[in-house]
Amino acid sequence: AAGVIQSPRHLIKEKRETATLKCYPIPRHDTVYWYQQGPGQDPQFLISFYEKMQSDKGSIPDRFSAQQFSDYHSELNMSSLELGDSALYFCASSSLGGRWTFGSGTRLTVV
Amino acid sequence: GIQVEQSPPDLILQEGANSTLRCNFSDSVNNLQWFHQNPWGQLINLFYIPSGTKQNGRLSATTVATERYSLLYISSSQTTDSGVYFCAVGGNQAGTALIFGKGTTLSVSS
Repeated sequence: AAGVIQSPRHLIKEKRETATLKCYPIPRHDTVYWYQQGPGQDPQFLISFYEKMQSDKGSIPDRFSAQQFSDYHSELNMSSLELGDSALYFCASSSLGGRWTFGSGTRLTVV
Repeated sequence: GIQVEQSPPDLILQEGANSTLRCNFSDSVNNLQWFHQNPWGQLINLFYIPSGTKQNGRLSATTVATERYSLLYISSSQTTDSGVYFCAVGGNQAGTALIFGKGTTLSVSS
């Protein structure tokens, strides 16, 4: 069965650089969610999109932005990276608020 | 906002033992899911269970929505069950976030 695809799997950036994370949801899933997970922490909600419109917003820094495109894939853009942005970034997709499926995550390291 | 409490925070088992993980939440929810995060960091959905009881192999879950708790049962535990188990709750409208508990870290030794 198709899963949620995230790219890249690993990313190393320097402080003040920008990064773009991509998420390809399961086909026919209409909703995408982004989460950030620091070491030893629970996942923290950033933002979600339903049918290409922003649906819910969590603790997403102003330096971050995201969008969902016409093919339902989503991108998380992160600018002016800080050391504290180092984390696992997960994308999940669902249909009509049902069961969620998470991607394998992108591990971002800011040096 | 809604609070999610999981217990116990840590659990150490011998292979073959059974265990029960608990999730309490502070408000009524329409969406409750259990996830397993394996040692490689992958988040695997175990159950979508806003109410009732479900079983999947050695795992089963029960949610009593009126009393605001859910239980995850693991029977005949295996070393591959090790990892962190998260309970996450929220609304059932499309796009509504799930709020995660702090998780239960399970370690199963052979």
